[in-house]
Amino acid sequence: GQSLEQPSEVTAVEGAIVQINCTYQTSGFYGLSWYQQHDGGAPTFLSYNGLDGLEETGRFSSFLSRSDSYGYLLLQELQMKDSASYFCAVKEGGKLQFGAGTQVVVTP
Amino acid sequence: KAGVTQTPRYLIKTRGQQVTLSCSPISGHRSVSWYQQTPGQGLQFLFEYFSETQRNKGNFPGRFSGRQFSNSRSEMNVSTLELGDSALYLCASSSYRDSETQYFGPGTRLLVL
Repeated sequence: GQSLEQPSEVTAVEGAIVQINCTYQTSGFYGLSWYQQHDGGAPTFLSYNGLDGLEETGRFSSFLSRSDSYGYLLLQELQMKDSASYFCAVKEGGKLQFGAGTQVVVTP
Repeated sequence: KAGVTQTPRYLIKTRGQQVTLSCSPISGHRSVSWYQQTPGQGLQFLFEYFSETQRNKGNFPGRFSGRQFSNSRSEMNVSTLELGDSALYLCASSSYRDSETQYFGPGTRLLVL
């Protein structure tokens, strides 16, 4: 089986940096994905880490350490539009399993 | 390219009824996955279809079923609806070359009364 743990909520001000951690336990690991979901919207893909290290996409970066079963999503230069839920996900046995999500609240 | 589309967007049913939801993937995507999202259980994998075959199945009762057509469009069916089936049902498609990226549709919000 698998489990993913991530914080339930993070609050930060505009312009700040937020790090969302995700730890996982899975019997087979192929990579860690991150998705963003705004209230009332559909999840949208942000990033995928198949190998250890940092992947950067604009203001968002994602990191993976397979030896520590740990990854994080880094949101830089926070904007109000970044207020959303962020999910980490792993694929196990072909099934994409999601964490419970971290709600990021950006305040002025 | 047009995105993933789902119909209907909203649905109200009563207990005991059945429902069929439809999903059209992005053109060229042959993999379609279905997820159930609820406040209590989060995003849960239902099943995945690839080239008209169910490739993976989540831990849901047999009341939940699906199929995929030759044009990659997919349907999921829930029979004998229960109150707990009220949820947002999301469909996602992915391509063979980039299977790690799931493109989600807007979802069908089902309310069971």
